[in-house]
Amino acid sequence: AQTVTQSQPEMSVQEAETVTLSCTYDTSENNYYLFWYKQPPSRQMILVIRQEAYKQQNATENRFSVNFQKAAKSFSLKISDSQLGDTAMYFCAFMKWVNSGYALNFGKGTSLLVTP
Amino acid sequence: DAMVIQNPRYQVTQFGKPVTLSCSQTLNHNVMYWYQQKSSQAPKLLFHYYDKDFNNEADTPDNFQSRRPNTSFCFLDIRSPGLGDAAMYLCATSLQSGGAYEQYFGPGTRLTVT
Repeated sequence: AQTVTQSQPEMSVQEAETVTLSCTYDTSENNYYLFWYKQPPSRQMILVIRQEAYKQQNATENRFSVNFQKAAKSFSLKISDSQLGDTAMYFCAFMKWVNSGYALNFGKGTSLLVTP
Repeated sequence: DAMVIQNPRYQVTQFGKPVTLSCSQTLNHNVMYWYQQKSSQAPKLLFHYYDKDFNNEADTPDNFQSRRPNTSFCFLDIRSPGLGDAAMYLCATSLQSGGAYEQYFGPGTRLTVT
């Protein structure tokens, strides 16, 4: 069974600074997908970034980037130039095959607060 | 804009009184999911539909059922809600055609059981 661990329940960062959220996972599979989702206080879950395990290059989306270490099974999210709108719960997720489709296995989340 | 819509956003039901939550999508995705998210916890998959094929997670209580009458709509039925079923219920969709694709979430329905 795949497990996803986010060891930081809460984090805080000042506006314009950089913050890194950690995530580790456990799997015996070789090909898989990893995601970071953001859930703002309004509760709509939004995709932040995705990483295919077969790609060595780390994914980047504007201010968001990941540090994917496949051997270490680590998948951290770096947010650069933090903005107040980045305040949210961030979930790391492993995409797993379940019967006839894929589903997400989420970590417990990290609550990020961006302060002025 | 294409999107995932959930109605109602807030639902209050009485202990043991059946309740139905609905989800619709304009993305024309072939897979629809239902997740349960309790306070301060991660979303937990209840079941999903791959086209018309229903797939239940092993630990989803029998109290929970789902219907998908067509591509656009999916319903979550809770036959006899208990206090422990109070949660946010998230609907998600994805387009899966030979590979894994990201899921798009609706805003959720917050269920209160009194």
